[in-house]
Amino acid sequence: ELKVEQNPLFLSMQEGKNYTIYCNYSTTSDRLYWYRQDPGKSLESLFVLLSNGAVKQEGRLMASLDTKARLSTLHITAAVHDLSATYFCAVDIHYGGSQGNLIFGKGTKLSVKP
Amino acid sequence: EAGVVQSPRYKIIEKKQPVAFWCNPISGHNTLYWYLQNLGQGPELLIRYENEEAVDDSQLPKDRFSAERLKGVDSTLKIQPAELGDSAVYLCASSFDGPNTEAFFGQGTRLTVV
Repeated sequence: ELKVEQNPLFLSMQEGKNYTIYCNYSTTSDRLYWYRQDPGKSLESLFVLLSNGAVKQEGRLMASLDTKARLSTLHITAAVHDLSATYFCAVDIHYGGSQGNLIFGKGTKLSVKP
Repeated sequence: EAGVVQSPRYKIIEKKQPVAFWCNPISGHNTLYWYLQNLGQGPELLIRYENEEAVDDSQLPKDRFSAERLKGVDSTLKIQPAELGDSAVYLCASSFDGPNTEAFFGQGTRLTVV
C-alpha cells in the first residue's frame, strides 16, 4: 500500500524564520505535487515536480524532489503571516499521460506568528 | 477564466436520505476527478473520468455512491442512502489530458449528515 507521510503535521513559526516540511513516500513515482489549502477553501497548486533533482521556487517557497530517496521538501524562507495555511504533498501513481490517482499526505498545518 | 465550479457549497441532510453534488470543470479539461476529504486529512480519489469514461473508480463505494458524466463535461456524484460517516468535503478537480498536467480543484461541497 502506498503511503505518503508528511512531517511535521503541525508547525508554528515566527515571522522571519526558516523551516522545512518533509514528504516521504513509499513507492516509485516521478511526479509529486505540492498544494496549499486555506481554511474552508479549495486546494491551490503550488509546485509540480517531475524528475529527480527537480527544484522549483516561488517567492518564499522552494520545493525539491529526490526520487531515489523518495523524499520531497518544501522549504520556507523568512516566513510571513500570509503563508499560514495547510500544505499537502501528493504523489501521482499513474505513470505517463495525464495526472492519475494522487495520493495525498495528511497535510502540514502551518501557523506563522508575528 | 472560470475555475472548477461546484454546487452546492454546503449541504445538510438526514441519514438515509439521498444527496447529489454537481461539478462543472474548467472549459476544455477532459479529465475530471472526484475526491473525498475528511476533516484533518488529505483528499482521497473516488473516481476519475476521461471524457465520458470512468477510467478509475476502484475507490468508489459502489453500494451507495454513483457518478456520471454523460456528455463528457459536467459531472454529478450521488450518495443514496447517506450515512453519518459520509460527512466530509467532496472536491471536484479537472485537468487537460496530456503528459505532466496538473489538476485544478473546485471549492468543494461540505456535506453534513445528521
